[in-house]
Amino acid sequence: GESVGLHLPTLSVQEGDNSIINCAYSNSASDYFIWYKQESGKGPQFIIDIRSNMDKRQGQRVTVLLNKTVKHLSLQIAATQPGDSAVYFCAENIYGSARQLTFGSGTQLTVLP
Amino acid sequence: DAEITQSPRHKITETGRQVTLACHQTWNHNNMFWYRQDLGHGLRLIHYSYGVQDTNKGEVSDGYSVSRSNTEDLPLTLESAASSQTSVYFCASSDARLGGNTDTQYFGPGTRLTVL
Repeated sequence: GESVGLHLPTLSVQEGDNSIINCAYSNSASDYFIWYKQESGKGPQFIIDIRSNMDKRQGQRVTVLLNKTVKHLSLQIAATQPGDSAVYFCAENIYGSARQLTFGSGTQLTVLP
Repeated sequence: DAEITQSPRHKITETGRQVTLACHQTWNHNNMFWYRQDLGHGLRLIHYSYGVQDTNKGEVSDGYSVSRSNTEDLPLTLESAASSQTSVYFCASSDARLGGNTDTQYFGPGTRLTVL
């Protein structure tokens, strides 16, 4: 079936650099996307979301980009800090699916000193 | 502050035993969800509920059941625990209303279950 996936399972970046985490989805009917952060031993934490009528949305140090043409979204973290080390999940909502989210398998971000 | 809690945080049980994991939210959210998280599989939906007395099966519902007798709680029961049900379980809630198509889910801290 259709699913959300991630290009890379792990990503290591130097502290202070920018991070880019990618996510591909296959269902063109998806119209709402969320990024979650999960630290070790904790539940996923909402970071930022984006509707399909937008291409870009910015939060505090984070930006989500949505490219509907190639069914791709990315999470950009500016000036990555040690506290950003975590697993990042993207999730999609399929219109008419009764509000269920489908999650990708996650990308482990490691911030190097 | 409103929150979502899970208990116990850790549980060890034996094969064949019945186990119930609790989930309680104080946001007054309509929707509640149970997921399991295993290495290589991400988050998989077990059961969900859109309101009191409403329950629905998710992707991996076999061997699990839920009941929704009030807005705040959605307990997850493993009828006869199996080793394959060793996992980390997360409860989530959201406030998406009928007709809406956005569904930000807020997660609890998780329960680590080991079935021996």
